[in-house]
Amino acid sequence: RKEVEQDPGPFNVPEGATVAFNCTYSNSASQSFFWYRQDCRKEPKLLMSVYSSGNEDGRFTAQLNRASQYISLLIRDSKLSDSATYLCAVPSGGATNKLIFGTGTLLAVQP
Amino acid sequence: ETGVTQTPRHLVMGMTNKKSLKCEQHLGHNAMYWYKQSAKKPLELMFVYSLEERVENNSVPSRFSPECPNSSHLFLHLHTLQPEDSALYLCASSQDGLALTWDVTDTQYFGPGTRLTVL
Repeated sequence: RKEVEQDPGPFNVPEGATVAFNCTYSNSASQSFFWYRQDCRKEPKLLMSVYSSGNEDGRFTAQLNRASQYISLLIRDSKLSDSATYLCAVPSGGATNKLIFGTGTLLAVQP
Repeated sequence: ETGVTQTPRHLVMGMTNKKSLKCEQHLGHNAMYWYKQSAKKPLELMFVYSLEERVENNSVPSRFSPECPNSSHLFLHLHTLQPEDSALYLCASSQDGLALTWDVTDTQYFGPGTRLTVL
């Protein structure tokens, strides 16, 4: 299994739809997980952090499934402005505090 | 947002040029990172610095030379680059750079990046 794996998409959804992405990870000792959002030609920006079973922030919900080693990001009532690439990141578990990033999932919300 | 700044934002250079990328973080963090992001590829970690000491070098060619004079500044010196080095170079910082001292809530914050084109 890759250290961090995501479905690259693209996910094409209409405005108002609910969409979910999964991210699988291999380091079973990881205690924290992160979702970043990256707009085209811009830097990744932290969207949500997950430390226990899940986290919710408005229309966004992140959930953690330790048994199956995946995290998910659920976006409700999709907006055009949600169109971006969503990256998940998991600490490597090595000597340095480095994050392993997935390849990202591209979301395109259609009018 | 001005937590992590990078200059220049865009750079075009020839293969024989020497240039430097600069990163500055205003977050009081102890760790800084250089990443390379090529088109349609995932983020590639290049270097990790913790308290000005390089703690990781991910088999990066010697034509890339990092420098960290203090915990707020990070440079990437470039020389004799190749066209395949064209990419977005991102700097990031986090509170700590070593697993022994970091908190589970610690994560990385990115600068806007330098878009590099090597002709």
